[in-house]
Formats: sequence, C-alpha cells, structure tokens
Amino acid sequence: KAGVTQTPRYLIKTRGQQVTLSCSPISGHRSVSWYQQTPGQGLQFLFEYFSETQRNKGNFPGRFSGRQFSNSRSEMNVSTLELGDSALYLCASSPTRPDEKLFFGSGTQLSVL
Amino acid sequence: KNQVEQSPQSLIILEGKNCTLQCNYTVSPFSNLRWYKQDTGRGPVSLTIMTFSENTKSNGRYTATLDADTKQSSLHITASQLSDSASYICVVRLNAGNNRKLIWGLGTSLAVNP
Repeated sequence: KAGVTQTPRYLIKTRGQQVTLSCSPISGHRSVSWYQQTPGQGLQFLFEYFSETQRNKGNFPGRFSGRQFSNSRSEMNVSTLELGDSALYLCASSPTRPDEKLFFGSGTQLSVL
Repeated sequence: KNQVEQSPQSLIILEGKNCTLQCNYTVSPFSNLRWYKQDTGRGPVSLTIMTFSENTKSNGRYTATLDADTKQSSLHITASQLSDSASYICVVRLNAGNNRKLIWGLGTSLAVNP
C-alpha cells in the first residue's frame, strides 16, 4: 500500500507569490490534516478535511487555505507569501478521523526569499 | 494552558547504550498520548499511542510509560542503534467535546554516535 505522497518535495518562492501544495493520502483514508513545522515552533496545526469538508482549523491567517477533492486528495494554498512562511509543510492522513494513528508524508520544504 | 514539554532538548549517546526521554503535559481533559519519531527531512512516524488506562506500551526496542496522575510520560530506547538518530516528539490529544486537537511537544533531538 502506497504511503502519503506530497508534491512537490522542495519549493522556492519569493515574497508576494502564491503556492499550492498537494497531498495524496493512503488509499481508503478519508481524513487529511495539514501541519506547518518550523525549528522553533514545532508542528502547528493548519486544518483538517474529511469527505471534502473542513472539520477543524488552526490559528493561521486567511492567506492559508485548503480543500479536499472527492478522491480524498487535498491541496493547500498560501497566498501573498511572507518570509515567515518558510517551513516544512506536512500532510497526514487517517482512516476516518485524527483520533486514529496519523500517517505523515515526507513534506514539502518551502523556502520564501 | 494546554502544553506539552519535553526534556532534554537534545541528547547524544553511544551506540548500544540505553536512554530515556521525558514528556510532561498539562493537557486536560486528556484523551491519549502519542510518541512519534521523525527522521531529518521526513514526516513523523507513530511509535506508540497510549490511553488513560495504559501504563506501559512497547514497540520493539521502544518502551513508553504513562503516569496519568503526575501527567508524565517517558520513552525508553534500549540498545540504541545509529538509525535511532532522530527527533522524538510527544503529542497529547485533548478531549473536550468537539475540541479534539493534538498538542505537540517540540521534540527531543537524539544523536546516536558509533
């Protein structure tokens, strides 16, 4: 069974640009969560989707948005990038809800110059 | 305030030695506690999930303990290997009605040297 796949693996953008990250969960998993990880802050929860609906949202500005498609694949978008958005963005999937074990992808390393 | 604190922040040990990582939490109400291992440049991988009633749980050379009274957990690594070099993150799930968020610690960075 394939694991959680995130693309792209690395991304370099400049301030003011926007970016879209993609996540394909494990086959059969319907819950997808997104996290931002920085060295000083650890993992910060962005949002969680289940059956195309956002179930929970973290404390991030509206520049961060996401969506989930009918095949459970998910995308997150960051508009008007800031230097502080440089981070590792991780996607995690679970069968039905994050109460269960989370399976993480390898992440997308975003650098904003 | 719901918090998870881990110690030490970093640790260096020799291959073959044992070590113990600590996690203290103030999360309430408590649902479960998880330990994750994260290799550099990769996503975290679950090691154990422990509920309120579980005191000890093992996964190979990894043994996690939980004391729900003192709100402390530890992760013991036996006969360390070079591949154990990673960050170990303690995570506690809050269980308050519809608020079931995960509270993440900052991790302990472990380096196992030959």
